[in-house]
Amino acid sequence: AQTVTQSQPEMSVQEAETVTLSCTYDTSESDYYLFWYKQPPSRQMILVIRQEAYKQQNATENRFSVNFQKAAKSFSLKISDSQLGDAAMYFCAYRSATEKLVFGKGMKLTVNP
Amino acid sequence: NAGVTQTPKFRILKIGQSMTLQCTQDMNHNYMYWYRQDPGMGLKLIYYSVGAGITDKGEVPNGYNVSRSTTEDFPLRLELAAPSQTSVYFCASSPQRNSYEQYFGPGTRLTVT
Repeated sequence: AQTVTQSQPEMSVQEAETVTLSCTYDTSESDYYLFWYKQPPSRQMILVIRQEAYKQQNATENRFSVNFQKAAKSFSLKISDSQLGDAAMYFCAYRSATEKLVFGKGMKLTVNP
Repeated sequence: NAGVTQTPKFRILKIGQSMTLQCTQDMNHNYMYWYRQDPGMGLKLIYYSVGAGITDKGEVPNGYNVSRSTTEDFPLRLELAAPSQTSVYFCASSPQRNSYEQYFGPGTRLTVT
């Protein structure tokens, strides 16, 4: 079974600074998708960014970008110019072509003004 | 579009009681999912449905039942509630099996005492 590991339970960053959230996963599949979800205090799960494993280019969405290292099975999220609204729980998730989403335990990000 | 709606937002149950968590989506999505999120953990799949009349078990189905009589609705039934079912429950939907994104509802916080 696939597993997703987020080893840092909490991180903090100063407003306007850059922070990187780490995620590793374990799979024997070659075709899969990786996601970062944000869960603010409202509890709503919001998709931040996704990466297809067959794409070598790292995904980017405005201030959010990933560093996808397929051989190392690593999928980190970089948040640039951090804003107070970025404070939330962040979940890394994995999905193969035929299976359901598997989530990591999450990481709490605090943004200090 | 309201997206995915869930009712109730909060509920307290006594041990042994039963209840139904409601989930409705107005996006005409075929795929719907129920997850639970325990404190400090990611989401775990309880049940999912690939269309009206079709349901299947996820990772943690014990103690729950689902039905899918319409495309829009996917209720989750708890029979004989137990303290171990204290959790936050999320419903989600997606337009197709390999859709990049699952659209999540706001969640239901359930406490069993």
